[in-house]
Amino acid sequence: GAGVSQSPRYKVAKRGQDVALRCDPISGHVSLFWYQQALGQGPEFLTYFQNEAQLDKSGLPSDRFFAERPEGSVSTLKIQRTQQEDSAVYLCASSLAGATEAFFGQGTRLTVV
Amino acid sequence: QKEVEQNSGPLSVPEGAIASLNCTYSDRGSQSFFWYRQYSGKSPELIMFIYSNGDKEDGRFTAQLNKASQYVSLLIRDSQPSDSATYLCAVNTGNQFYFGTGTSLTVIP
Repeated sequence: GAGVSQSPRYKVAKRGQDVALRCDPISGHVSLFWYQQALGQGPEFLTYFQNEAQLDKSGLPSDRFFAERPEGSVSTLKIQRTQQEDSAVYLCASSLAGATEAFFGQGTRLTVV
Repeated sequence: QKEVEQNSGPLSVPEGAIASLNCTYSDRGSQSFFWYRQYSGKSPELIMFIYSNGDKEDGRFTAQLNKASQYVSLLIRDSQPSDSATYLCAVNTGNQFYFGTGTSLTVIP
Protein backbone atom coordinates (compact mmCIF):
# COMPACT_ATOMS: atom_id res chain seq x y z
CA GLY A 1 0.00 0.00 0.00
CA ALA A 2 0.93 3.62 -0.34
CA GLY A 3 0.75 4.52 3.33
CA VAL A 4 1.53 3.16 6.75
CA SER A 5 -0.95 0.44 7.65
CA GLN A 6 -1.82 -0.55 11.20
CA SER A 7 -3.99 -3.37 12.46
CA PRO A 8 -6.26 -3.86 14.17
CA ARG A 9 -7.86 -0.39 14.15
CA TYR A 10 -9.61 -1.11 17.43
CA LYS A 11 -8.82 -3.60 20.17
CA VAL A 12 -10.67 -4.26 23.40
CA ALA A 13 -8.71 -6.36 25.86
CA LYS A 14 -9.55 -7.64 29.29
CA ARG A 15 -7.13 -6.61 31.98
CA GLY A 16 -4.31 -9.14 32.13
CA GLN A 17 -4.65 -10.18 28.50
CA ASP A 18 -1.74 -9.99 26.06
CA VAL A 19 -2.15 -7.98 22.84
CA ALA A 20 -0.15 -7.61 19.62
CA LEU A 21 -0.39 -4.55 17.41
CA ARG A 22 0.90 -4.63 13.86
CA CYS A 23 2.49 -1.91 11.73
CA ASP A 24 3.26 -2.20 8.02
CA PRO A 25 5.41 0.81 7.06
CA ILE A 26 5.73 2.54 3.70
CA SER A 27 7.81 0.35 1.38
CA GLY A 28 11.47 1.28 1.51
CA HIS A 29 11.23 3.30 4.71
CA VAL A 30 14.19 2.50 6.91
CA SER A 31 13.01 4.13 10.12
CA LEU A 32 9.99 3.06 12.11
CA PHE A 33 8.62 4.65 15.26
CA TRP A 34 5.98 3.65 17.77
CA TYR A 35 4.10 6.26 19.80
CA GLN A 36 1.44 6.15 22.49
CA GLN A 37 -1.17 8.91 22.46
CA ALA A 38 -3.47 9.35 25.42
CA LEU A 39 -6.67 11.33 25.04
CA GLY A 40 -5.96 15.05 24.71
CA GLN A 41 -2.20 14.57 24.65
CA GLY A 42 0.46 14.62 21.98
CA PRO A 43 2.12 11.39 20.86
CA GLU A 44 4.67 10.03 23.35
CA PHE A 45 7.70 8.22 21.94
CA LEU A 46 7.94 4.51 22.70
CA THR A 47 10.63 3.01 20.48
CA TYR A 48 12.56 3.43 17.23
CA PHE A 49 13.89 0.96 14.67
CA GLN A 50 16.35 1.44 11.89
CA ASN A 51 15.80 -1.54 9.61
CA GLU A 52 15.64 -4.53 12.00
CA ALA A 53 17.73 -2.90 14.71
CA GLN A 54 15.92 -1.42 17.69
CA LEU A 55 18.11 1.61 18.32
CA ASP A 56 16.08 3.26 21.03
CA LYS A 57 13.52 1.76 23.38
CA SER A 58 13.81 4.34 26.10
CA GLY A 59 10.14 5.29 25.87
CA LEU A 60 8.70 1.86 26.60
CA PRO A 61 6.87 2.38 29.92
CA SER A 62 7.54 -1.03 31.43
CA ASP A 63 8.93 -4.46 30.71
CA ARG A 64 5.42 -5.50 29.71
CA PHE A 65 5.98 -3.65 26.44
CA PHE A 66 8.03 -5.28 23.71
CA ALA A 67 8.55 -4.38 20.06
CA GLU A 68 10.19 -6.19 17.20
CA ARG A 69 10.88 -5.75 13.50
CA PRO A 70 12.63 -9.00 12.59
CA GLU A 71 12.99 -8.49 8.84
CA GLY A 72 13.26 -4.72 8.80
CA SER A 73 9.76 -4.19 7.47
CA VAL A 74 6.64 -5.09 9.46
CA SER A 75 6.80 -4.33 13.17
CA THR A 76 4.80 -5.68 16.07
CA LEU A 77 4.24 -3.98 19.41
CA LYS A 78 3.31 -6.48 22.09
CA ILE A 79 1.86 -5.59 25.46
CA GLN A 80 1.75 -8.32 28.07
CA ARG A 81 -0.68 -8.45 30.99
CA THR A 82 -2.48 -5.31 29.87
CA GLN A 83 -3.52 -2.77 32.48
CA GLN A 84 -6.16 -0.04 32.29
CA GLU A 85 -3.49 2.64 32.01
CA ASP A 86 -2.38 1.04 28.74
CA SER A 87 -5.61 2.28 27.13
CA ALA A 88 -4.54 4.71 24.41
CA VAL A 89 -4.08 5.08 20.69
CA TYR A 90 -0.88 3.44 19.49
CA LEU A 91 0.57 5.17 16.46
CA CYS A 92 3.20 3.84 14.11
CA ALA A 93 5.21 6.13 11.82
CA SER A 94 7.87 5.51 9.21
CA SER A 95 10.41 7.62 7.39
CA LEU A 96 13.16 7.24 4.82
CA ALA A 97 15.82 8.09 7.39
CA GLY A 98 15.95 9.28 10.98
CA ALA A 99 15.76 13.02 10.47
CA THR A 100 13.34 13.28 7.59
CA GLU A 101 9.60 13.67 7.88
CA ALA A 102 7.66 10.78 9.33
CA PHE A 103 4.31 9.55 8.07
CA PHE A 104 1.76 8.06 10.42
CA GLY A 105 -0.59 5.14 10.22
CA GLN A 106 -4.22 5.41 11.34
CA GLY A 107 -3.37 4.04 14.75
CA THR A 108 -4.75 1.26 16.91
CA ARG A 109 -7.13 2.30 19.66
CA LEU A 110 -6.60 -0.05 22.60
CA THR A 111 -9.17 -0.16 25.36
CA VAL A 112 -8.42 -2.28 28.41
CA VAL A 113 -11.49 -3.17 30.45
CA GLN B 1 11.07 20.34 31.45
CA LYS B 2 9.44 18.78 28.42
CA GLU B 3 11.43 18.61 25.20
CA VAL B 4 8.75 20.46 23.27
CA GLU B 5 6.29 22.97 24.71
CA GLN B 6 3.16 24.30 23.10
CA ASN B 7 0.25 26.33 24.38
CA SER B 8 -2.64 23.90 24.56
CA GLY B 9 -5.15 26.56 23.64
CA PRO B 10 -7.85 26.46 22.62
CA LEU B 11 -7.12 29.15 20.08
CA SER B 12 -10.09 30.65 18.28
CA VAL B 13 -9.82 32.90 15.23
CA PRO B 14 -12.46 34.23 12.84
CA GLU B 15 -12.54 32.93 9.30
CA GLY B 16 -10.08 34.81 7.11
CA ALA B 17 -7.81 35.85 9.97
CA ILE B 18 -4.22 34.77 10.62
CA ALA B 19 -3.74 31.97 13.15
CA SER B 20 -0.39 31.93 14.93
CA LEU B 21 0.81 28.75 16.64
CA ASN B 22 3.95 28.69 18.73
CA CYS B 23 6.37 26.06 19.96
CA THR B 24 9.59 26.05 21.98
CA TYR B 25 12.09 23.24 22.34
CA SER B 26 14.80 22.49 24.84
CA ASP B 27 17.55 20.66 22.91
CA ARG B 28 19.85 23.05 21.07
CA GLY B 29 21.10 20.14 18.99
CA SER B 30 17.71 19.64 17.37
CA GLN B 31 18.06 19.39 13.63
CA SER B 32 14.64 19.42 12.05
CA PHE B 33 11.23 20.74 12.92
CA PHE B 34 7.80 19.65 11.83
CA TRP B 35 4.21 20.74 12.07
CA TYR B 36 1.50 18.09 12.01
CA ARG B 37 -2.25 18.61 11.89
CA GLN B 38 -4.47 16.12 13.71
CA TYR B 39 -8.21 16.04 13.26
CA SER B 40 -10.21 14.48 16.07
CA GLY B 41 -10.00 10.72 15.93
CA LYS B 42 -7.48 10.77 13.10
CA SER B 43 -3.73 10.29 12.92
CA PRO B 44 -1.29 13.23 12.61
CA GLU B 45 -0.76 14.53 9.08
CA LEU B 46 2.45 16.33 8.11
CA ILE B 47 1.83 19.85 6.82
CA MET B 48 5.21 21.61 7.07
CA PHE B 49 8.83 20.95 7.90
CA ILE B 50 11.73 23.37 8.29
CA TYR B 51 15.44 22.82 8.81
CA SER B 52 17.02 26.28 8.52
CA ASN B 53 16.56 29.56 10.34
CA GLY B 54 14.06 31.89 8.79
CA ASP B 55 10.71 31.49 7.09
CA LYS B 56 9.37 28.78 4.84
CA GLU B 57 6.14 29.35 2.98
CA ASP B 58 3.81 26.76 1.46
CA GLY B 59 0.48 28.10 0.27
CA ARG B 60 -1.38 29.59 3.23
CA PHE B 61 1.12 28.13 5.70
CA THR B 62 4.38 29.72 6.86
CA ALA B 63 6.78 28.03 9.24
CA GLN B 64 9.27 30.21 11.11
CA LEU B 65 12.37 28.92 12.86
CA ASN B 66 14.66 30.77 15.25
CA LYS B 67 17.33 28.39 16.52
CA ALA B 68 18.93 31.00 18.78
CA SER B 69 15.66 31.41 20.64
CA GLN B 70 14.76 27.71 20.25
CA TYR B 71 11.43 28.75 18.85
CA VAL B 72 9.37 27.56 15.91
CA SER B 73 6.00 28.86 14.81
CA LEU B 74 3.31 28.19 12.25
CA LEU B 75 1.23 30.93 10.66
CA ILE B 76 -1.96 30.09 8.83
CA ARG B 77 -3.20 32.91 6.62
CA ASP B 78 -6.82 33.29 5.50
CA SER B 79 -7.90 30.70 8.07
CA GLN B 80 -10.73 28.42 7.00
CA PRO B 81 -13.15 26.37 9.12
CA SER B 82 -11.48 23.27 7.67
CA ASP B 83 -8.28 24.34 9.43
CA SER B 84 -9.95 23.61 12.78
CA ALA B 85 -7.84 20.83 14.30
CA THR B 86 -5.06 20.19 16.78
CA TYR B 87 -1.63 21.26 15.55
CA LEU B 88 1.34 19.30 16.82
CA CYS B 89 4.88 20.62 16.82
CA ALA B 90 7.56 17.94 16.46
CA VAL B 91 11.31 18.22 16.84
CA ASN B 92 13.86 15.69 15.66
CA THR B 93 16.97 15.32 17.80
CA GLY B 94 18.92 12.47 16.29
CA ASN B 95 16.71 9.41 16.09
CA GLN B 96 13.67 10.57 17.98
CA PHE B 97 10.76 12.80 17.14
CA TYR B 98 9.55 14.65 20.22
CA PHE B 99 6.03 16.01 20.06
CA GLY B 100 4.36 18.80 21.96
CA THR B 101 0.93 18.25 23.45
CA GLY B 102 -0.65 20.18 20.59
CA THR B 103 -2.62 23.42 20.20
CA SER B 104 -6.32 23.17 19.48
CA LEU B 105 -7.40 25.65 16.80
CA THR B 106 -10.99 26.59 16.04
CA VAL B 107 -11.76 28.78 13.04
CA ILE B 108 -15.13 30.46 13.51
CA PRO B 109 -17.17 30.98 10.31
